[in-house]
Amino acid sequence: QKEVEQNSGPLSVPEGAIASLNCTYSDRGSQSFFWYRQYSGKSPELIMFIYSNGDKEDGRFTAQLNKASQYVSLLIRDSQPSDSATYLCAAQKGSSASKIIFGSGTRLSIRP
Amino acid sequence: GAGVSQSPSNKVTEKGKDVELRCDPISGHTALYWYRQSLGQGLEFLIYFQGNSAPDKSGLPSDRFSAERTGGSVSTLTIQRTQQEDSAVYLCASSLVQSTNEKLFFGSGTQLSVL
Repeated sequence: QKEVEQNSGPLSVPEGAIASLNCTYSDRGSQSFFWYRQYSGKSPELIMFIYSNGDKEDGRFTAQLNKASQYVSLLIRDSQPSDSATYLCAAQKGSSASKIIFGSGTRLSIRP
Repeated sequence: GAGVSQSPSNKVTEKGKDVELRCDPISGHTALYWYRQSLGQGLEFLIYFQGNSAPDKSGLPSDRFSAERTGGSVSTLTIQRTQQEDSAVYLCASSLVQSTNEKLFFGSGTQLSVL
């Protein structure tokens, strides 16, 4: 079982709609969770982090964490073509100073 | 420099040769990671350095892989007797460890091709 699992996609969403990306993790000791965006041929960049149960909003992005279900999600509202990328979920055991493990990523395509 | 620097950006080698990949992290960042990304895949964790602690080598796929970090700064990933399955992009990332929000800054990667 992989430590962090994501559907590989591709996930196709019409422009202006909500894109929903999901991630599960296996280690209950994981405490911090991250969403990175990776454009084709580029390096990943952090877009959201979350460590408390519930929702965290930042502009058009909302991260959701449910530790009981070991589930993390990312919602992108008003999807734009520029949101087309691979989204990588990551988990870190402990609050800091421990390795960060990534999932395999979900490819998101926003169609005009 | 302002960001994480990796060299070379591209490396083509023959099967069986040794290669060294270099990472120069952001100044002052105490944590340094190496990941491997095959085409269309996610990031595979290789090794993690944090300050003066013993590195977490749990992701190294075989004893052909090794890494060191000198003086808490520059890191070198060495792959001995390269195999075709080692072909991938090798990404280095550094961070300033903070509680609950450890943002990784990635280099541009080294594209390794083993012929």
